[in-house]
Amino acid sequence: GAGVSQSPSNKVTEKGKDVELRCDPISGHTALYWYRQSLGQGLEFLIYFQGNSAPDKSGLPSDRFSAERTGGSVSTLTIQRTQQEDSAVYLCASSLGSDRGDTEAFFGQGTRLTVV
Amino acid sequence: EDKVVQSPLSLVVHEGDTVTLNCSYEVTNFRSLLWYKQEKKAPTFLFMLTSSGIEKKSGRLSSILDKKELSSILNITATQTGDSAIYLCAVGGSNYKLTFGKGTLLTVNP
Repeated sequence: GAGVSQSPSNKVTEKGKDVELRCDPISGHTALYWYRQSLGQGLEFLIYFQGNSAPDKSGLPSDRFSAERTGGSVSTLTIQRTQQEDSAVYLCASSLGSDRGDTEAFFGQGTRLTVV
Repeated sequence: EDKVVQSPLSLVVHEGDTVTLNCSYEVTNFRSLLWYKQEKKAPTFLFMLTSSGIEKKSGRLSSILDKKELSSILNITATQTGDSAIYLCAVGGSNYKLTFGKGTLLTVNP
């Protein structure tokens, strides 16, 4: 695609429900990143994929958070049993990846998650 | 753990002023330093600095990487109200993980 696409753009969910956020990276980008940004805060790293594997999952806040990537393309971030503190904007970015050297990461428009 | 610290956290200036934003870092296996501008949701890419490209310029914006001091500055000259945004610094380290700072909120008043 022309850019990184995320869906939904906004999600309101009840506390305790599961949510799934989707990221469709730029075609050909092997690296994919998930970040979380709470109001007035910087970007908090969640997880990074190189192809389908995740060399670094250190940022996932708890075992309620999981992510997968299939076919080296689309990624989904799943949050189980959502809590109010999960409310934030979830940003996805992609880049050409380690096999193409250092390149900039391009961001999607994000998913604003509100847990009520 | 990789760390990126930006200063100041916020800055208010008048149109026409020149501003300097700072970014310092501690990272394992430094690969690159990137600057982004965030106005609404998605950060937009400004510059990438590496060992082979320590100075970049685009219009009124310029950036320099100081590998000895483990820092970078972003300069904006003749600021305009459209420059108002959060400016984010990120560093690429081991495994190409990008670590971001908390950002500098720049407000340019007419």
